[in-house]
Amino acid sequence: GAGVSQSPRYKVAKRGQDVALRCDPISGHVSLFWYQQALGQGPEFLTYFQNEAQLDKSGLPSDRFFAERPEGSVSTLKIQRTQQEDSAVYLCASSSRGAGTEQYFGPGTRLTVT
Amino acid sequence: AQSVTQPDIHITVSEGASLELRCNYSYGATPYLFWYVQSPGQGLQLLLKYFSGDTLVQGIKGFEAEFKRSQSSFNLRKPSVHWSDAAEYFCAVGANYQLIWGAGTKLIIKP
Repeated sequence: GAGVSQSPRYKVAKRGQDVALRCDPISGHVSLFWYQQALGQGPEFLTYFQNEAQLDKSGLPSDRFFAERPEGSVSTLKIQRTQQEDSAVYLCASSSRGAGTEQYFGPGTRLTVT
Repeated sequence: AQSVTQPDIHITVSEGASLELRCNYSYGATPYLFWYVQSPGQGLQLLLKYFSGDTLVQGIKGFEAEFKRSQSSFNLRKPSVHWSDAAEYFCAVGANYQLIWGAGTKLIIKP
């Protein structure tokens, strides 16, 4: 079956531009996660949705970052007024339940801010 | 605070040799533990997981890991590596719904 998909796979933005990153989770998965992965590092948690409810956004680095999942399936991570330090790979993952279950990851979106 | 340590940034092994990647965690309760692999340009793929029960867990691609509570470790092993195993390996602990990740170990295979 289809896995988690993300688009675009690569995004180059000039500093100050807004970007929107899309995630299509596995069908039926109630939980959706966004992570940020800097070069040579492990992923860092950004935010978590259970269905359409954003239960935790404690990892979002600033108020320029915003995520939504309005119908409980597709999610969008938006970054306003991008800065160079936002350059990273943004990973989306979904799982069928919440705590303790394995997460299935998309291929990521590599964002480069110039 | 929960944390995961992978002490080896990179490891080089010869093709056909055995492999052990180390992972130590800090977590107050019984952890959920995971190993993921990330190939260049690819997403993270789950190799194996430990939730409870048998402390030796088998995963895909011939990998296994052993949970040792007394040592707070969850080391990944493979008896004979293949060139296709070259990738970055991440250990993670499940803390409620979050995954807390190690920094990763890059596996390099010598022909």
